[in-house]
Amino acid sequence: DSGVTQTPKHLITATGQRVTLRCSPRSGDLSVYWYQQSLDQGLQFLIQYYNGEERAKGNILERFSAQQFPDLHSELNLSSLELGDSALYFCASSVRAGEATDTQYFGPGTRLTVL
Amino acid sequence: DQQVKQNSPSLSVQEGRISILNCDYTNSMFDYFLWYKKYPAEGPTFLISISSIKDKNEDGRFTVFLNKSAKHLSLHIVPSQPGDSAVYFCAASGGYSSASKIIFGSGTRLSIRP
Repeated sequence: DSGVTQTPKHLITATGQRVTLRCSPRSGDLSVYWYQQSLDQGLQFLIQYYNGEERAKGNILERFSAQQFPDLHSELNLSSLELGDSALYFCASSVRAGEATDTQYFGPGTRLTVL
Repeated sequence: DQQVKQNSPSLSVQEGRISILNCDYTNSMFDYFLWYKKYPAEGPTFLISISSIKDKNEDGRFTVFLNKSAKHLSLHIVPSQPGDSAVYFCAASGGYSSASKIIFGSGTRLSIRP
């Protein structure tokens, strides 16, 4: 158990819909990262928040957005969903702002299926 | 454009033998490399890392080797144990403040057979 929690575990929805994925980081971790893993692909970095502020952006679509709240939990919002958005979405957390040597601890992921 | 490549989708090794997982990268700016291990229905777990100033890092049964000239790294597990059966992801980042830009490979599924 990494200490990072993600809800829900599974989500099935239809094209065009909007969903929200939630992540609670490990106690004491200030950074939250979101990743997408499509079928047989590596993890694609989407976005990072540090202490409530956006820190870095990766290949995140404009239809996707995220935020980190004062209690440090984070939400990833996916809208106008398409079939290709079906994937595993992982959240990770780390203590600091994102130095390369800062170990990222991953949650169990949310499996999103868009029908 | 895959900057981190794991060309073997799967690998089967007998218990007790050495497992060698390979990874190639294309970006010469990468200076920090990591291996993550992933069990089904769980998130990836950090395993071992290496800085580009080193060519080897060892942690118990796990050793990572880095060949900068060949842009190649490998993970050696010896001896292999049944609990090592998992998907292994190679990852790389460039620059001290670039943890956010960790680039992952597509993974190698390691199966340890009795």
